[in-house]
Amino acid sequence: DQQVKQNSPSLSVQEGRISILNCDYTNSMFDYFLWYKKYPAEGPTFLISISSIKDKNEDGRFTVFLNKSAKHLSLHIVPSQPGDSAVYFCAASADTGNQFYFGTGTSLTVIP
Amino acid sequence: NAGVMQNPRHLVRRRGQEARLRCSPMKGHSHVYWYRQLPEEGLKFMVYLQKENIIDESGMPKERFSAEFPKEGPSILRIQQVVRGDSAAYFCASSPNRGKHEQYFGPGTRLTVT
Repeated sequence: DQQVKQNSPSLSVQEGRISILNCDYTNSMFDYFLWYKKYPAEGPTFLISISSIKDKNEDGRFTVFLNKSAKHLSLHIVPSQPGDSAVYFCAASADTGNQFYFGTGTSLTVIP
Repeated sequence: NAGVMQNPRHLVRRRGQEARLRCSPMKGHSHVYWYRQLPEEGLKFMVYLQKENIIDESGMPKERFSAEFPKEGPSILRIQQVVRGDSAAYFCASSPNRGKHEQYFGPGTRLTVT
C-alpha cells in the first residue's frame, strides 16, 4: 500500500530552467513532509521540509508547496544546475507515527 | 563532526548465512531508524530504536530479522538465514529527538545474497 506516490520516475530539464517534482499522498493524517536528494551509492540527504500548517516553504533555490485539499506537494528548483541531477524522494509522517513513508523517487537530470 | 556511519558498505552472503549490519548515529543522536530499499522502490521503514529500546518494529519481518541499539556501541540489524529476497540496500538514519525532525541518513549497506 503505497501511501506516498511519485508518479514521474524521471525528469529532464535544461540548466537554468525550473525543475518541478511532484508527490501525492493518500493518508490525511500526514502532517509533516520532507524532500530528500540521493546520489548513487550514497544515503539520502535532507533538502527541505514543510509542516501542514504552512502551504509554502522556501530555502534558497528550493521551494516546497503543499496543497492539503489535493493531498499534493511539489518541489521547485530554480534555477536548475547540473549538480542537482540526482534522485529526489518525498517523505511524509503522521503526528502519531514513528516512521517516514517514502515515495519511489524521481530521477532528475539537468542538461548543461 | 562525523555523520551517520554504516558498515560494511557492501556485504555478500550465501543463502542460509547470517548478515550483520552496523550503524553508528550522529553524535548526540539517540534515535535510530532502519530502512530497506529494494530495486526500483522507495525506502521502506523497518524499525525505530532508542538506546536499549525497540520503539516500533512494525515494518520488520517477524522472522529472521532483529535489531538492537545497546547502551554502548552501534545499532545492529541482524538477518538470520538470508534468502535471495533479502538482497537490498539497507539504510540507517538518526535524529536527535522523536517527532518532527529530519532524519540524517548513512551511506547504506548493500547486501547481496548469492
